[in-house]
Amino acid sequence: DAMVIQNPRYQVTQFGKPVTLSCSQTLNHNVMYWYQQKSSQAPKLLFHYYDKDFNNEADTPDNFQSRRPNTSFCFLDIRSPGLGDAAMYLCATSRVRDRSNQPQHFGDGTRLSIL
Amino acid sequence: GQNIDQPTEMTATEGAIVQINCTYQTSGFNGLFWYQQHAGEAPTFLSYNVLDGLEEKGRFSSFLSRSKGYSYLLLKELQMKDSASYLCAVRAGTYKYIFGTGTRLKVLA
Repeated sequence: DAMVIQNPRYQVTQFGKPVTLSCSQTLNHNVMYWYQQKSSQAPKLLFHYYDKDFNNEADTPDNFQSRRPNTSFCFLDIRSPGLGDAAMYLCATSRVRDRSNQPQHFGDGTRLSIL
Repeated sequence: GQNIDQPTEMTATEGAIVQINCTYQTSGFNGLFWYQQHAGEAPTFLSYNVLDGLEEKGRFSSFLSRSKGYSYLLLKELQMKDSASYLCAVRAGTYKYIFGTGTRLKVLA
């Protein structure tokens, strides 16, 4: 089945220690997104890629970076995690075709804990 | 600013009908989506509206009024497995999706 896969499901890191979360997709969608979702809060868009074009949200901290080496993979790098970065990180994909709306397809998320 | 409001929590009985409301104020509008999210899992797509009116999909229906900035999700014949959070999301730009905080629905036997 075509899907969005996030690894790992649970990640524990130390305060200040860099961490990378990964996302892969078999849907061949041209757009990939990273969201941060804290408990009982709305998913918050951090950035997205349209093909290789990277787009950062204005309020995304510099501590968060992303890489998309090819269509299938996208990584979220947190350079120096702080306690406030503990959250669920959701990867999503969509195919943008003209004005037709395509729903986003989400991975199961990576729950990040900071010690 | 961008704002989406949903009730925090609702409770309903198995077999009943429940309506979850969503109001929005966004800088742009290119459609409204409803997602279901079980605890610890990914949001899954339920329905989409871009024109005013009702869209029906089995036990789920969604309604949109663009002039009022209002949508609702209607769930019929509630089942225990429908206990989840329901997220309203507006596509405010080509790639910009703004989510509400979700409505946590509890279905009681």
